[in-house]
Amino acid sequence: QVELVESGGGVVQPGRSLRLSCTASGFTFSRYGMHWVRQAPGKGLEWLTYMSHDETKKKRYADSVKGRFTVSRDNSKNTLYLQMNSLEYEDTAVYYCAKDSTSLNLDYWGQGTLVTVSP
Amino acid sequence: QSALTQPASVSGSSGLSVSLSCTGTNSDVGNYNLVSCYQQHPGKAPKLVLYGVTQRPSGVSHRFSGSKSGNTASLTISGLQAEDEADYYCSSYTSNDTLPFGTGTTVTVL
Repeated sequence: QVELVESGGGVVQPGRSLRLSCTASGFTFSRYGMHWVRQAPGKGLEWLTYMSHDETKKKRYADSVKGRFTVSRDNSKNTLYLQMNSLEYEDTAVYYCAKDSTSLNLDYWGQGTLVTVSP
Repeated sequence: QSALTQPASVSGSSGLSVSLSCTGTNSDVGNYNLVSCYQQHPGKAPKLVLYGVTQRPSGVSHRFSGSKSGNTASLTISGLQAEDEADYYCSSYTSNDTLPFGTGTTVTVL
């Protein structure tokens, strides 16, 4: 069965950096694109970024994080990463990784990891 | 990148139907059949319930159906059950090569 496990969340000061990881199992990770989505406390879902699985390693970003967040992946480790720099209070949220079904829909999600930006 | 517009809340009696709208523009919903819908119960991760406007993933109840007209997509839940009480989000591919979510709709079963 497909399983996605996020890690790396925690409390971080404004302006600092944090790297999240998402470890995948139960499917051939190297054959699928992957997404990061976040949800601020009491708010809706916000799509952040997508990385393709193929040799192009195409990346797409929401305007809200472009230039501050970077997505990457290591297919040999079945792991997706999100490098978050210059963190702001507004980045406080649960961060989810999700598998793309190949048609730009997110068919499996992890349980999320909480990032709190606080002095 | 504007979020797609959804009504904040919708309610319906058990056994009846509700329709949730998802309004975008001709740069997203109106131009691509790449609209998806997700169900989220409190404290849980979202779950895909519709993709490609009308397609149901394996294991999703046939009570969930989708349609699109112009720049507005709709998710209809028939035969409402208590377990359908949740937040619902739509999402669409856009001409900017992004995948924003809608503002979300809370469904209440009366």
